[in-house]
Amino acid sequence: DSGVTQTPKHLITATGQRVTLRCSPRSGDLSVYWYQQSLDQGLQFLIQYYNGEERAKGNILERFSAQQFPDLHSELNLSSLELGDSALYFCASSVDRGPHEQFFGPGTRLTVL
Amino acid sequence: AQRVTQPEKLLSVFKGAPVELKCNYSYSGSPELFWYVQYSRQRLQLLLRHISRESIKGFTADLNKGETSFHLKKPFAQEEDSAMYYCALSGRGYGGSQGNLIFGKGTKLSVKP
Repeated sequence: DSGVTQTPKHLITATGQRVTLRCSPRSGDLSVYWYQQSLDQGLQFLIQYYNGEERAKGNILERFSAQQFPDLHSELNLSSLELGDSALYFCASSVDRGPHEQFFGPGTRLTVL
Repeated sequence: AQRVTQPEKLLSVFKGAPVELKCNYSYSGSPELFWYVQYSRQRLQLLLRHISRESIKGFTADLNKGETSFHLKKPFAQEEDSAMYYCALSGRGYGGSQGNLIFGKGTKLSVKP
């Protein structure tokens, strides 16, 4: 599958813990975006990386951080987890940093107990 | 502030009826607008974008800058159109580049036989 992949599919953890979500973009795509989807807030943009560098930041909490590695895969780190962090986390990729079509991954469902 | 509003959470129509999914936006500058769709058990995917002026699966959307709207229309709904539809605006990142998407909360379209 040459599309966007995300691991794990599901993650269940406890409050106060730290987790790492992983995303591999489509082959050839240089931009990676992270979004959080919750029932009350909908789909919210968190952060964008382009070719290894942070490009844009949305409503990302200080407890959250991300990076994009030389092979272009990206990781989203969530720490000191709270119940309210339970959500679906999507990764998307696009060929460039501008307003191009974004290709979405299947998402990681995070449950914080 | 950049914002996308989809006033209807749920829209239910009968097969063959016309469909209009409403989307209004707030943006300072020239917006890039998109419609994304999520069919059951599938990932989010691009349906159409305003600059392409295409008709995809019979859907069209016209950008009305005066009314700041980008409504999605289809003259004759089909059962396979049942899905979640998201209107999105391309935001502004560092240095004025645009990439990240600002989503509306989505409208669930249900087409009854």
